[in-house]
Amino acid sequence: AQSVTQLDSQVPVFEEAPVELRCNYSSSVSVYLFWYVQYPNQGLQLLLKYLSGSTLVKGINGFEAEFNKSQTSFHLRKPSVHISDTAEYFCAVSVSMKTSYDKVIFGPGTSLSVIP
Amino acid sequence: NAGVMQNPRHLVRRRGQEARLRCSPMKGHSHVYWYRQLPEEGLKFMVYLQKENIIDESGMPKERFSAEFPKEGPSILRIQQVVRGDSAAYFCASSPSGGRDTQYFGPGTRLTVL
Repeated sequence: AQSVTQLDSQVPVFEEAPVELRCNYSSSVSVYLFWYVQYPNQGLQLLLKYLSGSTLVKGINGFEAEFNKSQTSFHLRKPSVHISDTAEYFCAVSVSMKTSYDKVIFGPGTSLSVIP
Repeated sequence: NAGVMQNPRHLVRRRGQEARLRCSPMKGHSHVYWYRQLPEEGLKFMVYLQKENIIDESGMPKERFSAEFPKEGPSILRIQQVVRGDSAAYFCASSPSGGRDTQYFGPGTRLTVL
């Protein structure tokens, strides 16, 4: 069965410091990978996605992620965080189902807290 | 282009009452997904619908929960005889197709069962 693991439930980091949020997935088939951000009391917003091609994906708000097939990872990075990046971050995997649609499986989330 | 709309944003029900959550997908999207988010947890898939069809309801509890997406109007997630454990945020997402399109999320409905 497919699953998504986010190893860190909470990540505190000082403003302007770099951050990496880790994501690992398990799947025996090819996958598409996503990172979503959820600000307090809001829905999820797509940060970036990997479909194919270059393994380094750039997203909005200065975030980027690197797909590593051998390590089945898709870690999210930002070189310098801002207070406004404080939010919940979800890694997700899209997996083809036998019924020819794609099911998205979300990780448990990582709470990023940026400290002034 | 309006995004995914959900209403109400907040819903309070007493145990045993019914809860109806509505979701209007983005214009041009005919695929709707419902997710539940419990406090301190990630999103759990509940059901995937296309217009007038339920494609995958593997994440729906067997009892009290139902969903529909009629030809006209919003998608409805219905919870009968709510219990305190139903308290959660319910998110709807839509996409233009059931393939590997990005899902666009609504702001959610926060259900509180007293």
